[in-house]
Amino acid sequence: QKEVEQDPGPLSVPEGAIVSLNCTYSNSAFQYFMWYRQYSRKGPELLMYTYSSGNKEDGRFTAQVDKSSKYISLFIRDSQPSDSATYLCAMSAPSGTYKYIFGTGTRLKVLA
Amino acid sequence: EAGVAQSPRYKIIEKRQSVAFWCNPISGHATLYWYQQILGQGPKLLIQFQNNGVVDDSQLPKDRFSAERLKGVDSTLKIQPAKLEDSAVYLCASSLPGQGTGTQYFGPGTRLLVL
Repeated sequence: QKEVEQDPGPLSVPEGAIVSLNCTYSNSAFQYFMWYRQYSRKGPELLMYTYSSGNKEDGRFTAQVDKSSKYISLFIRDSQPSDSATYLCAMSAPSGTYKYIFGTGTRLKVLA
Repeated sequence: EAGVAQSPRYKIIEKRQSVAFWCNPISGHATLYWYQQILGQGPKLLIQFQNNGVVDDSQLPKDRFSAERLKGVDSTLKIQPAKLEDSAVYLCASSLPGQGTGTQYFGPGTRLLVL
């Protein structure tokens, strides 16, 4: 079993839809949860990070962490064609190295 | 603020040849990471430097991969000899240690194709 599981997609939605992206994990020591967006042929770009459980909102993006279920989500409201990218979740445990474990990424396509 | 710089952006080599990638982190970032991202997968950490010391190289195939970070600033990752399965994107990232999550900022990557 992988430490972090993420559905690779692809996920196609119409413009304006609410998108839900998810990851599950097995390591209960993870405390930091990140979402990165990666456009084709570009490096990952940090979108959101959350510490421990709870919600965090930034514009059209909302990150949720449910540590009891070992499940994290990223919601995108009013999705735009420019949101078409691969979304990677990453997690780390509190330690001096802050080692990130990434999911495989979910490819999202928002159709105009 | 300038981001993480990497070069070259693309490289095509034949198997058994050697190749080197260069990374310059964000100014002031003491921690530098090299990741390997195979098509359809998430990035996998190869090596992590704190200043010019290695703190994690547990997933670096040391028989063929090497990395150095002289003077604690820019870094070079080398593969010698390359294998077909080394075809991937090599990403460099940097972070400020102790900055909460140690948030990592990525460069554009070097896309390697081994024929």
